Amino acid sequence: SAVISQKPSRDICQRGTSLTIQCQVDSQVTMMFWYRQQPGQSLTLIATANQGSEATYESGFVIDKFPISRPNLTFSTLTVSNMSPEDSSIYLCSVEQTSETQYFGPGTRLLVL
Amino acid sequence: AQRVTQPEKLLSVFKGAPVELKCNYSYSGSPELFWYVQYSRQRLQLLLRHISRESIKGFTADLNKGETSFHLKKPFAQEEDSAMYYCALKKAGTALIFGKGTTLSVSS
Repeated sequence: SAVISQKPSRDICQRGTSLTIQCQVDSQVTMMFWYRQQPGQSLTLIATANQGSEATYESGFVIDKFPISRPNLTFSTLTVSNMSPEDSSIYLCSVEQTSETQYFGPGTRLLVL
Repeated sequence: AQRVTQPEKLLSVFKGAPVELKCNYSYSGSPELFWYVQYSRQRLQLLLRHISRESIKGFTADLNKGETSFHLKKPFAQEEDSAMYYCALKKAGTALIFGKGTTLSVSS
């Protein structure tokens, strides 16, 4: 399976600021996704990161709040913009290879004060 | 709409007891079903997928299309099985949809 890393692993941010989370994979993957896991909750899909085109967002998530880039087949970024305490969550990068099985990064733990 | 239901938030058993973590799904078509596990302070990892029909760490899960269920079972629980378990569903070309998860606690 692919080896997935995320940076930063955790951060504490002030409300109104933005944070960009990076996801790096050690091999080319067909699909990359971003999920959010709020405290005590399950994983919710934010968007599918499309290589070379705009991300596809799920209901309730918008590009202005969560801009995503995917410049190539091994890297993606998720920005959490104009943060509020409600954005405090774990943000996870996930990739899918040809086996159609998804693998997950270690997550970025974000606390907004 | 696609949906995964895990009715139990917490399941507590004694070591050596059988375990069954329930999962029901709602999907019109032929989905792929998965179980993921998250041990304390570790990343989410794949436990098994229905298409493989394999046993991992003593766990098995059978897809029952009639009951739209994919329950996870293990005949004899071990303390190291204590973790959060997520049932998930996907169709080809899309992302996983997760249930709310069940915390399994195995005590001696």
